[in-house]
Amino acid sequence: DGGITQSPKYLFRKEGQNVTLSCEQNLNHDAMYWYRQDPGQGLRLIYYSQIVNDFQKGDIAEGYSVSREKKESFPLTVTSAQKNPTAFYLCASNPRADVTGELFFGEGSRLTVL
Amino acid sequence: AQKVTQAQTEISVVEKEDVTLDCVYETRDTTYYLFWYKQPPSGELVFLIRRNSFDEQNEISGRYSWNFQKSTSSFNFTITASQVVDSAVYFCALSDLIFLRGSQGNLIFGKGTKLSVKP
Repeated sequence: DGGITQSPKYLFRKEGQNVTLSCEQNLNHDAMYWYRQDPGQGLRLIYYSQIVNDFQKGDIAEGYSVSREKKESFPLTVTSAQKNPTAFYLCASNPRADVTGELFFGEGSRLTVL
Repeated sequence: AQKVTQAQTEISVVEKEDVTLDCVYETRDTTYYLFWYKQPPSGELVFLIRRNSFDEQNEISGRYSWNFQKSTSSFNFTITASQVVDSAVYFCALSDLIFLRGSQGNLIFGKGTKLSVKP
């Protein structure tokens, strides 16, 4: 079945460690996104990519990094520079390069910093 | 600036009741899209509907209906005869129309309304 796969589902990290969240899609979508969700909050955009080898910062990019070497993959690294990394992270894709289309979401990765 | 307000943080109803989730938005754009997404306990957001700013017709899909009113900048969502499976967090979102690659494409999400439907 086509869809978006995020891994790991749960991740624990010690302060000062970098961690990489995986996002893979087999929908052949051009655009991919990373969102952060905090309790009782909406989704906030971290990074997005409209095409391979190109990505743009979202509203809260500080302390995060991404790469888009392949169309189907858009990993997110949460670096030690991110002050408050404990959150639920959602990856999404879009068949279009703009946001007027429907977004397809993965099931999310919950990161807890100990 | 663009903004989406979902004033209802949590709503609890009994099965078979009708329930309306409110969404009020702010934008300076004349062309924009509005969305509703459902987030069940499993975590992934599921697309429910997209509406463009030129189409103010109300829409009905089974037990779901949407009321879009530009005059009040609202895009409300009604579930008729609610069921336990409707329990989820519902997000309203707004986007502007991005034509140029390289522009920041973004969906502005509201904070969500948690709906609990009790048997």
